Amino acid sequence: ELKVEQNPLFLSMQEGKNYTIYCNYSTTSDRLYWYRQDPGKSLESLFVLLSNGAVKQEGRLMASLDTKARLSTLHITAAVHDLSATYFCAVNSGGGADGLTFGKGTHLIIQP
Amino acid sequence: NAGVTQTPKFRILKIGQSMTLQCTQDMNHNYMYWYRQDPGMGLKLIYYSVGAGITDKGEVPNGYNVSRSTTEDFPLRLELAAPSQTSVYFCASSYWPRQGGTPLHFGNGTRLTVT
Repeated sequence: ELKVEQNPLFLSMQEGKNYTIYCNYSTTSDRLYWYRQDPGKSLESLFVLLSNGAVKQEGRLMASLDTKARLSTLHITAAVHDLSATYFCAVNSGGGADGLTFGKGTHLIIQP
Repeated sequence: NAGVTQTPKFRILKIGQSMTLQCTQDMNHNYMYWYRQDPGMGLKLIYYSVGAGITDKGEVPNGYNVSRSTTEDFPLRLELAAPSQTSVYFCASSYWPRQGGTPLHFGNGTRLTVT
């Protein structure tokens, strides 16, 4: 059974600081996704990582994938309040559904 | 382009009542999914469909039923609602094969409370 673990689950940080969210998964997968969810809202796709060593950046967020370690990171650079949200990583489950298995999410609060 | 549309946005049910959560997408996606999200948890797959007339169970299907009569619509039926079904329900769709790793597109969710 595929398991996806994120840490930390809760993070409070100050504007201007850097931090990294970690996502570990238990079995081989060929795709990893990062989503953002604002309170009471739907999930918004941030990044899709397809191969070992993949790195993608959008603004102050950068995601990377190490398939050998079964690890993805989401790095936040010089955080700003607008990045406060819950961030989920999700891994392709494979099989007939080709659905996603999600981590529990990292609730990120960025304080001025 | 509306994407994935879910109705209703909110609903309160009494124990034992039934209801249908509606989901429709206008992107001509062949795959559709129902997830539930409980507080502080990630999303768990309830049911999925790979095309009209084809559905299958996900991780947590008990207490739910689905149908897929058209490409666009994928309703989720709750029979005999129980407090354990209090959750936020998300419908999602995607195109298969997902070459290039296109992500799932999510609706805005239905917040359901069973009391």
